[in-house]
Amino acid sequence: DAMVIQNPRYQVTQFGKPVTLSCSQTLNHNVMYWYQQKSSQAPKLLFHYYDKDFNNEADTPDNFQSRRPNTSFCFLDIRSPGLGDAAMYLCATSSRAAGSGYTFGSGTRLTVV
Amino acid sequence: GENVEQHPSTLSVQEGDSAVIKCTYSDSASNYFPWYKQELGKRPQLIIDIRSNVGEKKDQRIAVTLNKTAKHFSLHITETQPEDSAVYFCAASKREGFKTIFGAGTRLFVKA
Repeated sequence: DAMVIQNPRYQVTQFGKPVTLSCSQTLNHNVMYWYQQKSSQAPKLLFHYYDKDFNNEADTPDNFQSRRPNTSFCFLDIRSPGLGDAAMYLCATSSRAAGSGYTFGSGTRLTVV
Repeated sequence: GENVEQHPSTLSVQEGDSAVIKCTYSDSASNYFPWYKQELGKRPQLIIDIRSNVGEKKDQRIAVTLNKTAKHFSLHITETQPEDSAVYFCAASKREGFKTIFGAGTRLFVKA
C-alpha cells in the first residue's frame, strides 16, 4: 500500500547527461515537494508544487527543473548532473486541508560517474 | 526565511534511559512542528507533531514540548530501546507556505 512511490530507487548517470527522477502518489495530496539529502545532512528543499503553482527555492541551482503534469505525478529533471549532485532525492506530499506532516517516498539515490 | 537549529548532533544513551533533543526556530510565524525519524537507508517518517496552540503532546514513549515565547521545542523519548536508534529531524513550517524547513538532525544511538 505504498502511497508515495519514487522510481527508480537507484540511478546512475554520467556526468553531464540529463536524468529524470519520478514520483507518484495515491494520496491525492495537492502539495508535492522535492528535497535533496546528502549523507548525514538534513533534507534540503529544492522546490514544491502547490497544485499547479511551482515554487522554487532561491538557492536551487538552475540545473534542477521540475514538472507536475497532474496531481499524481511529479518529476525532477537534472539537466547536466555534476559530481556534487550525487545525493538522495526525496519526494514528499502534504495536504493543505490537513495542514499536517509529510509523507515521504522511499527516495532515489543518484550516483554521478 | 525560517532557520531551524537542532542539538545535539549526536546522542548516545543506555537502553532504558531517556533521550532529549532540542530545537529552536527563528520565524515566529511558524506554527507547525513535526518530528521525523530516519533509519539508515530509509525514508524519513513522521513520528509526532505539535501545533502552536498546544504546549505539549505525548504518544506512548514519545513526547514533544513547545515554548512559543522562546521559540524552541523538544523531543523526549523515555525508556529508550535499541530500535529507537536512528537520525531524528525536527522541522518547522507555516500553514500558509506548507514548506517545511528541517533541522540538521540528531543521530541517536541506544546501547543495549
